[in-house]
Order: sequence, then structure tokens, then C-alpha cells
Amino acid sequence: EVQLVESGGGLVKPGGSLRLSCAASGFTFSNAWMSWVRQAPGKGLEWVGRIKSKTDGGTTDYAAPVKGRFTISRDDSKNTLYLQMNSLKTEDTAVYYCTTAVGVATRNAFDIWGQGTMVTVSS
Amino acid sequence: SYVLTQPPSVSVAPGQTARITCGGNNIGSKSVHWYQQKPGQAPVLVVYDDSDRPSGIPERFSGSNSGNTATLTISRVEAGDEADYYCQVWDSSSDLGVFGGGTKLTVL
Repeated sequence: EVQLVESGGGLVKPGGSLRLSCAASGFTFSNAWMSWVRQAPGKGLEWVGRIKSKTDGGTTDYAAPVKGRFTISRDDSKNTLYLQMNSLKTEDTAVYYCTTAVGVATRNAFDIWGQGTMVTVSS
Repeated sequence: SYVLTQPPSVSVAPGQTARITCGGNNIGSKSVHWYQQKPGQAPVLVVYDDSDRPSGIPERFSGSNSGNTATLTISRVEAGDEADYYCQVWDSSSDLGVFGGGTKLTVL
């Protein structure tokens, strides 16, 4: 079964740091381009960033609100994606999803999603 | 940055056709993807590359894209289609993902 499982969410103070993990199974993780998408309470979806596969350069791209504060990385030996979040702000409070394309013939749509992990930034 | 505009809400009676639009500058030159999200659940891809359906998505879901507007069409709407719907594109000029603000579909 193709699956993504996020973990690492929780309550953190403004200015603090948190690292999210996303464990993948059921597909060839090393070939996948992986993204993080977040959703603030009662709000819409917001793309956070992406990491390409190592064979495609392993490069990362980030949305403007998180660039310079968030870092996406991957450990293909562990089939795990990470999101390191530093200098957290209250507006970073959201459910964070990891997502990817497995069953569709495009890298830029997301047909596999995790269940999400909640990050709350509050003093 | 590239902006996608969706109507906040659309209402339709059961059995009728719902059309949800997604506006963007020359969006017809981009590939548009659509997601359905029900409360408390992760999004589900229902249409990709303007008009293709992932495996398991009913034929009632279709898409089109031309000019400055992409449209998700849901035929023979059912109560279970009530959800939030989001369009998404990849902005090739910045190499960043972009989502629309979402549309709440209400089945009357």
C-alpha cells in the first residue's frame, strides 16, 4: 500500500524550531519529488516547498513566506522526508502535509497525501 | 507571484451540474490540477493536467482549461460531493507550486 505518514508536530513558542518527518512506503521513494503543503486552521491549502529526487539534482524550492526559515531534506536510505522549521511565527500554525505524485504521469500534481501533522506556534 | 482566483462558494441541487472556476493570467498555457477536501481529511486529487482523472475518480468529474479560466465540472452531483475544491498549478517562471483559495461546494 502506498502511504505517507507524518510525525513531529506539536506546540512550539514563537522563534522556536521544529522538525517534521514523513515516512514513505509502497513506492520507490528515491525517485519521487516530494512536497510539503500546509493548511492553517479554517484556511486553504498553501504549498510550502519541494525537493527533487537526487537523480534530478536533489534541489529544493520554497514558497516566499518560508524561504530562509524552512529547509526540506530527504534520507532515501530511510525512505523519509524532513521539514526543518526555524524562526517559527504564529502564522506558521497549520496542519502540515507531505505529498507526492505516484500514480499520475506528472511531477506537479499530488495524488498521494499523508494524514497531516499539526504545528501550533504560540506563546 | 502567480495568483489563482476561485469563487468562495458554489451551490447546486442534487443531480444537477456544478461548475467551479479557477482564474489566472493565461492559465490556459498551464496544466491545472483539482483537489477535493472533506472536513478533517487530506485532499484528494480528482483531475490533473486539465482534464485527466486519476484511477478511481468517477467520470462525473471533468475539467477544462482555456484562456484565463479553468473549470472543474461535476455532473449529476451527489450529496457526497459536498466539499472544498482547490485548483493548483505549477508556476514555471518561479518553479513554485500555487493553490487557489478554494471553493466550498454546497449540495442543496
